[in-house]
Amino acid sequence: AQSVAQPEDQVNVAEGNPLTVKCTYSVSGNPYLFWYVQYPNRGLQFLLKYITGDNLVKGSYGFEAEFNKSQTSFHLKKPSALVSDSALYFCAVRGLTSGTYKYIFGTGTRLKVLA
Amino acid sequence: IAGITQAPTSQILAAGRRMTLRCTQDMRHNAMYWYRQDLGLGLRLIHYSNTAGTTGKGEVPDGYSVSRANTDDFPLTLASAVPSQTSVYFCASSEQPTSAHEQFFGPGTRLTVL
Repeated sequence: AQSVAQPEDQVNVAEGNPLTVKCTYSVSGNPYLFWYVQYPNRGLQFLLKYITGDNLVKGSYGFEAEFNKSQTSFHLKKPSALVSDSALYFCAVRGLTSGTYKYIFGTGTRLKVLA
Repeated sequence: IAGITQAPTSQILAAGRRMTLRCTQDMRHNAMYWYRQDLGLGLRLIHYSNTAGTTGKGEVPDGYSVSRANTDDFPLTLASAVPSQTSVYFCASSEQPTSAHEQFFGPGTRLTVL
C-alpha cells in the first residue's frame, strides 16, 4: 500500500536559518513525489516535484527537495528561511492503486519561521 | 475565471439536509478530485474523475456522490448531511490522471453540519 509520512507536526526555525521539512514514503514502483504549501484559508499550492533524473529538485520561492531512494525520503529544504515561509506544508506521492493513479497526501507539517 | 472556483465559500447546514458543493475549472483539465481536510488527518480523497463522464471512489466516499457531465464542472453532493461531514472541502484538477502532473486546488468550502 502507498503511504506518506511527515513525522513532525510542527517545525520552528529562526529567520535566516536553513529549514528542513521531512517526508518519507512507501510506494510500489517508481514514485512521483510532490510538495505543496497551504497558507491560511487558502487551497494548496504546488511547490515542486520529483519525477526522474537529478535527485535535487528546485521549486518555487527558493525551495528545493532531495530525493533519496535508499532512505525513501523526499525532504523539503530552503537555505535561508523567511517569516513569509510560515505555512502548512504537505508532501504527496502519486502511484498506481487498483489500476488508477492517485495522490496520497501526508498529514502536513506546520512551519513557523520566527523573526 | 482563472483556475478553480468553488462555491459556497462557507456553509452551515442542519443535519439531514442535502447539500451540493460546486466546483468549476477553466483549464480544460481532464482529471478532477474532491478532498476533505481535517485537523491531524491531512487531505483525504473523497471521489475523483479521470475524464468527463467517468467517476471513481476515493479513500472516504461514503455519504458523498459526484457527477462529471462535462470537463469543467465537478459537483459534490451530500445526500443527507451528518455532523462528521463537518470539514473543509477542496476541489482540485490535474491535466491528466495518469501522469506526473501536479494538482491545482480551489480555495475550499468550509462546511459545518449541526
